[in-house]
Amino acid sequence: DTGVSQDPRHKITKRGQNVTFRCDPISEHNRLYWYRQTLGQGPEFLTYFQNEAQLEKSRLLSDRFSAERPKGSFSTLEIQRTEQGDSAMYLCASNIAEWSYEQYFGPGTRLTVT
Amino acid sequence: AQSVTQLGSHVSVSEGALVLLRCNYSSSVPPYLFWYVQYPNQGLQLLLKYTSAATLVKGINGFEAEFKKSETSFHLTKPSAHMSDAAEYFCAVTDISSGSARQLTFGSGTQLTVLP
Repeated sequence: DTGVSQDPRHKITKRGQNVTFRCDPISEHNRLYWYRQTLGQGPEFLTYFQNEAQLEKSRLLSDRFSAERPKGSFSTLEIQRTEQGDSAMYLCASNIAEWSYEQYFGPGTRLTVT
Repeated sequence: AQSVTQLGSHVSVSEGALVLLRCNYSSSVPPYLFWYVQYPNQGLQLLLKYTSAATLVKGINGFEAEFKKSETSFHLTKPSAHMSDAAEYFCAVTDISSGSARQLTFGSGTQLTVLP
């Protein structure tokens, strides 16, 4: 049973560039969540998918952020026109909605915007 | 709205001593509660969960936590600290009401240092 995987693990980009992160959830997990974690803080909810449907977005998810889960399996999170304030760890988690409340997290993608 | 408060952003204990990490929650509905551990540059690993069964919950690596509704607390304990316990610990709450996104709301974390 492979866990949640994320790619890349680290990304350094210049302000104004676009970046895209990928998350592969645990196989057969129908819910997928994205969180953002800044230094010294706990993760904060960004958005989640049930299968391919994006059902909720946090107010933290500005218009520069977009997430997709086109086939209900892997998901991508894109940040356009990155800003220094976007520097954070982006965490993905998954579970099975019908009988699980705990979420299983990937290793995260650390984004540094210079 | 739900929230979690973790008292003490940094806790230091000697190896072999009791570990006590504090978590208090605020929730308008009966919550489910979790403790996660995070090692440097890694994701979060589930330690234990409270889902309205037994109020004393045992988890991995010798950790346990007790749900106290009257105190709105869910403190994490371990009788004897090991060097490998040094990490950051997060308490989290989720809304279990119907139709909820069930996203986790985390506290700000407690960094545990274990002294030799």
